[in-house]
Amino acid sequence: GAVVSQHPSWVICKSGTSVKIECRSLDFQATTMFWYRQFPKQSLMLMATSNEGSKATYEQGVEKDKFLINHASLTLSTLTVTSAHPEDSSFYICSPRGGGEETQYFGPGTRLLVL
Amino acid sequence: AQSVTQLGSHVSVSEGALVLLRCNYSSSVPPYLFWYVQYPNQGLQLLLKYTSAATLVKGINGFEAEFKKSETSFHLTKPSAHMSDAAEYFCAVSQPGNKLVFGAGTILRVKS
Repeated sequence: GAVVSQHPSWVICKSGTSVKIECRSLDFQATTMFWYRQFPKQSLMLMATSNEGSKATYEQGVEKDKFLINHASLTLSTLTVTSAHPEDSSFYICSPRGGGEETQYFGPGTRLLVL
Repeated sequence: AQSVTQLGSHVSVSEGALVLLRCNYSSSVPPYLFWYVQYPNQGLQLLLKYTSAATLVKGINGFEAEFKKSETSFHLTKPSAHMSDAAEYFCAVSQPGNKLVFGAGTILRVKS
């Protein structure tokens, strides 16, 4: 399978600060990037979809000004949680997909705790 | 719209016993189907996928799944459970080019 990395794997921050999460596809070109969040004991919830070089498309109920997504290259995408609050504490997972592919691969996830 | 139903949020088996995790889907067109496994505090790892080729799909770690159109099912099986199989398993459906729709997940517990 494809190799996907996320950084950081864990982050603890104070309320009101911003946190940037990086996702890299190490051995293939990610034409499309999906960002998910997962609450404890729940399934994955899609937050947004982005195509390289284009603006992200956000799912209903996800604030685009709060969760900034950048997908400037085929190997790197970032998710920035701006002015984080305790309710943003969650497990964030990126999922890149190559062009013409039907398979999504997943990063190892980033655990965010906002105090 | 597509949807996925995983029957049983928790499944418990003895080591060496058959593993059966159930997944039913709904889709208006022939779907692509996937099974992923998630270990604690990790991302998802692809176990296997069905993309309209052979209906019996073999994946990693001895898992396999059979696509049954008449039953709209894609159940995951493994003949003999191992302790290392304990994890959460997600079934997902997509159409070509579209995003994945996940089931709620099934936690597999393996007893020694």
